[in-house]
Amino acid sequence: GAGVSQTPSNKVTEKGKYVELRCDPISGHTALYWYRQSLGQGPEFLIYFQGTGAADDSGLPNDRFFAVRPEGSVSTLKIQRTERGDSAVYLCASSFGNTGELFFGEGSRLTVL
Amino acid sequence: LAKTTQPISMDSYEGQEVNITCSHNNIATNDYITWYQQFPSQGPRFIIQGYKTKVTNEVASLFIPADRKSSTLSLPRVSLSDTAVYYCLVVSGSSASKIIFGSGTRLSIRP
Repeated sequence: GAGVSQTPSNKVTEKGKYVELRCDPISGHTALYWYRQSLGQGPEFLIYFQGTGAADDSGLPNDRFFAVRPEGSVSTLKIQRTERGDSAVYLCASSFGNTGELFFGEGSRLTVL
Repeated sequence: LAKTTQPISMDSYEGQEVNITCSHNNIATNDYITWYQQFPSQGPRFIIQGYKTKVTNEVASLFIPADRKSSTLSLPRVSLSDTAVYYCLVVSGSSASKIIFGSGTRLSIRP
């Protein structure tokens, strides 16, 4: 497809489990962003990539969160030892360069029981 | 990055013009002002971006005064489908950097 694709759209897991969320950006987009959004709040910045490298990971809340983009395209957000407070919609966005025009996916809704 | 401040919520009626003002007192010389729209259960969508004066596209207009410390998003003749959250952002134009969203303005349009 032409847009940003995120999988899974919904994930329910138990506290303590490991979760991976995948983002497939728009082809050719060099920048990729991850955000987390809770109900009634704006998207909270987690990390962004320029190419394969994490240009800024200052938004990752703790060391249970990690993200990779090994070939400069698809990215995976990894959450270890999930906690109930990790429940949120995880949004991925991509852009061509640093224009400020981000193209968002539909998000992955994570529920930790 | 400059912090932005905008109203938490606004109400209007179909057919009215809606203006949402955002303040960004600490905007830097090379920063751009960018607005996004978000519907429930969807990711934000880029609406418009500007540096100074006025920018217009098929969706909205963006007014930026000379001091650039504030900006106003103008939605002409709103409809029920314009009910959404609107975010004002400041984006660095001089270097690649993270893009921060605030809490946005929740716009409700009534019939």
